[in-house]
Amino acid sequence: SQKIEQNSEALNIQEGKTATLTCNYTNYSPAYLQWYRQDPGRGPVFLLLIRENEKEKRKERLKVTFDTTLKQSLFHITASQPADSATYLCALSSSGNTPLVFGKGTRLSVIA
Amino acid sequence: NAGVTQTPKFQVLKTGQSMTLQCAQDMNHNSMYWYRQDPGMGLRLIYYSASEGTTDKGEVPNGYNVSRLNKREFSLRLESAAPSQTSVYFCASTLDYENQPQHFGDGTRLSIL
Repeated sequence: SQKIEQNSEALNIQEGKTATLTCNYTNYSPAYLQWYRQDPGRGPVFLLLIRENEKEKRKERLKVTFDTTLKQSLFHITASQPADSATYLCALSSSGNTPLVFGKGTRLSVIA
Repeated sequence: NAGVTQTPKFQVLKTGQSMTLQCAQDMNHNSMYWYRQDPGMGLRLIYYSASEGTTDKGEVPNGYNVSRLNKREFSLRLESAAPSQTSVYFCASTLDYENQPQHFGDGTRLSIL
């Protein structure tokens, strides 16, 4: 069966360190993968999109990698800050005509 | 610029009551979606509308109906609410169906007693 797994339910790191979140998938051939941030009581907010033919995407302190051989995406936040504390969701779609499927999310806490 | 607006924000229903959740977007997006989010389950797609005039089932459509009223509005109806439908419901929209970031509302928190 198809699965999207985000490596841990919760991750605690110290301020200033790099946070690395993992998204693994099985039985998918995703055309693209997206990452979202969700704060308590709010809807998810789009952060980055990476296509299957792209290995890496960056936006300010954020970096996403996409390895279709390992069936994995890594999401990095460099120089993390307490304001980065949130739940981060990965989502993928097998093709343009299939709906996006979300992972369960990883709750990141950045400790000052 | 409001983005995606959901009403109501909170609602408590009794088992068997009916309810319509409203969603409107002001971004001239073609595609709209309804999700539910439960602890430990993540976001699950209920129904979507790839374009005005079309609707399709998602992963968990049972117990729900939808109406794409016009390009801006996409409503979700619970005909006979059940406690298992207690959840947070999110509406989202994208410019087009393919390969686009989703823009979410802030959700409707629905409790069914």
